[in-house]
Amino acid sequence: QKEVEQDPGPLSVPEGAIVSLNCTYSNSAFQYFMWYRQYSRKGPELLMYTYSSGNKEDGRFTAQVDKSSKYISLFIRDSQPSDSATYLCAVGLIQGAQKLVFGQGTRLTINP
Amino acid sequence: KAGVTQTPRYLIKTRGQQVTLSCSPISGHRSVSWYQQTPGQGLQFLFEYFSETQRNKGNFPGRFSGRQFSNSRSEMNVSTLELGDSALYLCASQEAGDPGNTIYFGEGSWLTVV
Repeated sequence: QKEVEQDPGPLSVPEGAIVSLNCTYSNSAFQYFMWYRQYSRKGPELLMYTYSSGNKEDGRFTAQVDKSSKYISLFIRDSQPSDSATYLCAVGLIQGAQKLVFGQGTRLTINP
Repeated sequence: KAGVTQTPRYLIKTRGQQVTLSCSPISGHRSVSWYQQTPGQGLQFLFEYFSETQRNKGNFPGRFSGRQFSNSRSEMNVSTLELGDSALYLCASQEAGDPGNTIYFGEGSWLTVV
């Protein structure tokens, strides 16, 4: 079993839709949760990070963490064609914070 | 402020050869880590260096090695290349290796082994 499971998609939605991306993780020791966006042939770009259960909002993006269920989500409101990319969830430990464990990535396409 | 710089961006090597990839972190960042990204396995952690010392290591064979210099620049080396080593190799830097400091990735080095 992988430490982080993420549906690879692909996911295709119309412009303006609300997008929900999800990951589950197996180790309750993970305390650090991130979402990265990766455009084709580019390096991952950090979108959001959080340590605690609950919601964290940044513009059109909301990250949600439920530690009791070991479940993390990213919601994108009013999706735009420029949001088309691969979205990667990542988890980490407070000790050794750079040793991130990534999900497989979900390829998202927003259709105009 | 310049981002994480990786060189070379693209390279093709033959099985059995070795390769060295270079990473210059963001100025002031002392923690550098390396990741391998493939379509099948996704992004996997290789190792992390902080103040010239390897602090964390992933589950890769000893053919994969790295080092960090006093100016925080880092190199990784892969010896006796195999076809399965074809991947995007990403370098990431962080200000102090502590949680809460954003981890920035470079554009990556695309390695093709033929």
